Amino acid sequence: EVQLVESGGGLVQRGGSLRLSCAASGFRFNYYSMIWFRQAPGKGLEWVSYISGRSETIFYADAVKGRFTISRDNAKNSLYLQMNSLRDEDTAVYYCARAAGGSNYFDHWGQGTLVTVSS
Amino acid sequence: QSVLTQPPSVSGAPGQRVTISCTGSSSNIGAGYDVHWYQKLPGTAPKLLIYGNDNRPSGVPDRFSGSKSGTSASLAITGLQAEDEADYYCQSYDSSLSGDVVFGGGTKLTVL
Repeated sequence: EVQLVESGGGLVQRGGSLRLSCAASGFRFNYYSMIWFRQAPGKGLEWVSYISGRSETIFYADAVKGRFTISRDNAKNSLYLQMNSLRDEDTAVYYCARAAGGSNYFDHWGQGTLVTVSS
Repeated sequence: QSVLTQPPSVSGAPGQRVTISCTGSSSNIGAGYDVHWYQKLPGTAPKLLIYGNDNRPSGVPDRFSGSKSGTSASLAITGLQAEDEADYYCQSYDSSLSGDVVFGGGTKLTVL
C-alpha cells in the first residue's frame, strides 16, 4: 500500500525557517517524481515545488522561488522541503504527493502538515 | 484568482445528478492538456477521482464521470450520496507558465 506521511510542520516566526519531510513507502520511490502542494486557510490547492525521480529536474512556483528548496533522499525514501524567509502568506497545510508515472496528475497524497507563520 | 474556473458551490438531493464545470483557456485545457479531478474532505488528503479527462482509478465508483470539450471540462456525479459532500478540484497543466500545474478554485458540493 502506498503511504506518504508528512512531518515537520509547526509554528514559526515570520522570517524563520522550517524543514518539512515526507516519508514514502509501498512503492519504488526513486521511480517517481514528487511534488509539494499547499492549501492556505479558506483557499484552494496550490503547487509549490516539483522534483523528478533522480532530482535532475526541479521546479518552483514563483511565490516560493529563492526561498524554498526541494530535495529527496532516495536511499531513505524521503522527500524534503526546506522553507526559509517564511512569510505570513506561507501559512498553509502542506501536502506531498506522488506524480503518476509519465503524467501530470497525482495519484497518492499525504495527510498534510500545518505550517503557521506568525509575527 | 485560479487559472481554472469552477463554481464555488453546487448542491443536490440524494439520488440526484450534479455536474461541476471547470473552465480554462487556450494555454491549458484548450491546448489539449488533460484534466484531472480530486475530491477533498475536510481534514483529509485530496483523493484522485478522475484522471486523463474521463478515467476512474481503481476503487472510484462509476457514479463519478468526467468529460472534456474545448477549453472546458466537467465532473458528473450521479446517484448523489451523503458521503459525496466534499470539495472538488479540477487540475490541468498550463503551457504559458514554467512547469506549472494549475488548479481550479474548488467547488463545495452540498448534499441536501
